[in-house]
Amino acid sequence: KQEVTQIPAALSVPEGENLVLNCSFTDSAIYNLQWFRQDPGKGLTSLLLIQSSQREQTSGRLNASLDKSSGRSTLYIAASQPGDSATYLCAVKGGNTPLVFGKGTRLSVIA
Amino acid sequence: EAGVTQFPSHSVIEKGQTVTLRCDPISGHDNLYWYRRVMGKEIKFLLHFVKESKQDESGMPNNRFLAERTGGTYSTLKVQPAELEDSGVYFCASSQVAGSDTEAFFGQGTRLTVV
Repeated sequence: KQEVTQIPAALSVPEGENLVLNCSFTDSAIYNLQWFRQDPGKGLTSLLLIQSSQREQTSGRLNASLDKSSGRSTLYIAASQPGDSATYLCAVKGGNTPLVFGKGTRLSVIA
Repeated sequence: EAGVTQFPSHSVIEKGQTVTLRCDPISGHDNLYWYRRVMGKEIKFLLHFVKESKQDESGMPNNRFLAERTGGTYSTLKVQPAELEDSGVYFCASSQVAGSDTEAFFGQGTRLTVV
């Protein structure tokens, strides 16, 4: 059974700092991994999708990496801004299985 | 293009009552998923439709939950009768195909509170 763990559970950083969010999963037989952002009271916004054959994906200040064999992914946020404050969720998808989510990392960027 | 939309955004009902949640997927998306997040836990899968057929309903907690997707368009999730532990945020997602490169798009969720 796939399990996804996200560390840390919460993180507070000053504006401008670069930061890394971690995600690990127990079953390396995944099809893809997706990073989401959730703002309070809002839905999930997809940030990056990494297919199992890929090592990383970039979008603006965000860079996500995937090491399937070790069951790890990281989300790197460069030059953090207060608007980046949100909960970041990692989810993995198997072949015919649905997305399995971690509990998320709650990020606060202090101005 | 409209995203995944869910109705209502909030619902407060008494224990024992019935509630129906609705999800309109992105037009043309055959795959529709329901997920739920209860307080302090991770988001968990409930079920998956491919068009109007239930592909996987292994995450449905019990027979008080009934999901339908008549005509393969919008879907409803009915909870009858609701219990206190059903409180949480119910998310709907859709995707075009179920392959490896398919991105799942989520709605804003319905926050259900059972009192």
